[in-house]
Amino acid sequence: EDQVTQSPEALRLQEGESSSLNCSYTVSGLRGLFWYRQDPGKGPEFLFTLYSAGEEKEKERLKATLTKKESFLHITAPKPEDSATYLCAVTNSGYALNFGKGTSLLVTP
Amino acid sequence: NAGVTQTPKFRVLKTGQSMTLLCAQDMNHEYMYWYRQDPGMGLRLIHYSVGEGTTAKGEVPDGYNVSRLKKQNFLLGLESAAPSQTSVYFCASSYGGGAFEQFFGPGTRLTVL
Repeated sequence: EDQVTQSPEALRLQEGESSSLNCSYTVSGLRGLFWYRQDPGKGPEFLFTLYSAGEEKEKERLKATLTKKESFLHITAPKPEDSATYLCAVTNSGYALNFGKGTSLLVTP
Repeated sequence: NAGVTQTPKFRVLKTGQSMTLLCAQDMNHEYMYWYRQDPGMGLRLIHYSVGEGTTAKGEVPDGYNVSRLKKQNFLLGLESAAPSQTSVYFCASSYGGGAFEQFFGPGTRLTVL
């Protein structure tokens, strides 16, 4: 069965304290791995798609990387506005995204 | 460009009542999806559509029906609501399937008493 496991479940950082979120997956024939950000009471907001091992993408303070078994979302010098739940999802089909349960990030001033 | 919109934003139903959730997108996307999000469960796919007039079952389709009469709209129906259907429902759309990113609406919070 395809599975996506995100760790840690929750993370508290001080402003400026860099860290990484992990997404481990077991899926055959990966077609894409996605990172989303979700703020309370809102829908997920697309951040990145990674297609193959070794690929990296960056956006402001966020950098996503992909290996054959996991992806990392690195957050460099985070700010309080980076506080949100970060969701990872994978697909090996023509339609379905298989989501992890998310990592809740809190960045304090 | 509104993206993906959902109506209503909130709804309270009694067990056995019916309702329809409306999703609309203005991005000319072919694919549309309905998910539910429950605490500790993550997002789960209910039904999806790969084009106007088509629908298919996702991971948790029981108790729901859908219709895609127009390309821009995707309706989710509950014929006889149950407390287990208390959840937050998200609609999403994408240009294509596979590795195309999905864009999500703001969600509908449904409570079934």
